[in-house]
Amino acid sequence: QKEVEQNSGPLSVPEGAIASLNCTYSDRGSQSFFWYRQYSGKSPELIMFIYSNGDKEDGRFTAQLNKASQYVSLLIRDSQPSDSATYLCAVNGQGGSEKLVFGKGTKLTVNP
Amino acid sequence: KAGVTQTPRYLIKTRGQQVTLSCSPISGHRSVSWYQQTPGQGLQFLFEYFSETQRNKGNFPGRFSGRQFSNSRSEMNVSTLELGDSALYLCASSAYGNYGYTFGSGTRLTVV
Repeated sequence: QKEVEQNSGPLSVPEGAIASLNCTYSDRGSQSFFWYRQYSGKSPELIMFIYSNGDKEDGRFTAQLNKASQYVSLLIRDSQPSDSATYLCAVNGQGGSEKLVFGKGTKLTVNP
Repeated sequence: KAGVTQTPRYLIKTRGQQVTLSCSPISGHRSVSWYQQTPGQGLQFLFEYFSETQRNKGNFPGRFSGRQFSNSRSEMNVSTLELGDSALYLCASSAYGNYGYTFGSGTRLTVV
């Protein structure tokens, strides 16, 4: 079983819509969960992190964590063409290890 | 505040050669991680250093090695290069891993 799984997409949404990105992870000992955005030809950029069950909001972004279901999601409200990128879910290793394990990413396209 | 600096940005090497990549973390960051990114495998963890000690290592052959200096700068070395080593190598630094990593721009290595 892969450690961190994401739908590869592509996910296509119209401008102004809500984009929903999902991620599941296998290690129940994981404690920290991250969403990175990577534009084509660029390096990943941290946009959200979450540690506790529930929702965490930052501007148009909301991260949701459900440890019982081993599920993390990212919602992007009022999607903009500039949000078009690959979104990477990352989970830290067992026991709070500094090692970050990444999913392969979901490619999001926001159509004007 | 300067970001994570990786040098060189691009590198072309021949099979069998060796290569050294350099990473200067954000000032004050003591944790440095290295990742290999390829289209097929995504971001794969190579190793993580903290205060000159390797704390975590990924599933890469011994041809991949690294080190960290007392000023937190890090280098990674790949010996006996193979065609499959062609990838984007990313360095990331963190003051404390559970708050996420900041990535450098990467070194694009092409092995011919």
